[in-house]
Amino acid sequence: AQSVTQLDSQVPVFEEAPVELRCNYSSSVSVYLFWYVQYPNQGLQLLLKYLSGSTLVKGINGFEAEFNKSQTSFHLRKPSVHISDTAEYFCAVSPNFGNEKLTFGTGTRLTIIP
Amino acid sequence: GAGVSQTPSNKVTEKGKYVELRCDPISGHTALYWYRQSLGQGPEFLIYFQGTGAADDSGLPNDRFFAVRPEGSVSTLKIQRTERGDSAVYLCASSFRDGYEQYFGPGTRLTVT
Repeated sequence: AQSVTQLDSQVPVFEEAPVELRCNYSSSVSVYLFWYVQYPNQGLQLLLKYLSGSTLVKGINGFEAEFNKSQTSFHLRKPSVHISDTAEYFCAVSPNFGNEKLTFGTGTRLTIIP
Repeated sequence: GAGVSQTPSNKVTEKGKYVELRCDPISGHTALYWYRQSLGQGPEFLIYFQGTGAADDSGLPNDRFFAVRPEGSVSTLKIQRTERGDSAVYLCASSFRDGYEQYFGPGTRLTVT
């Protein structure tokens, strides 16, 4: 079984400042890792994913994340945020088999302060 | 191309009533998933179909919940004798047969009064 912990339920950040959203996971098997974004009144959209290979993965809208196996973490970062980044961000994990259910964290609400 | 669609977008029902929620996956996607997202929580897995059969239904909370996908495309999530605790957003996602990326629909917001 897998579990995901997103310790920060809310993160306020000034516009153009950097941000890091933290994600830690637990699993007895190797995993795939994902970050999804949910804009107000919209469905979940994939930001980026780690399947294998380079531990630094780049996604849409200037976001990137680094997989750290020893710390079982997959933190999301952006060097300079914009008002349009205001949204809920979910970290998710699945066993590395393909076509497996996702286990989500509880989400981090990112609020950009003008 | 068209994404995953879900109908209705909102459903209000009285306690004890029966409801059906529909999901239309992306064309060509053989895998289909249902999740439930309660207020302030992340989505929780309910059931997964590969083709017409339920490959994993371990997330269904009890026997009031049932889902079908008779022709391997559209799926219907059925909830009998609804309870107030069933109020949530029900999300559907689809992916290719050996896919790693799930594409989510906009969800159906179910409110049980």
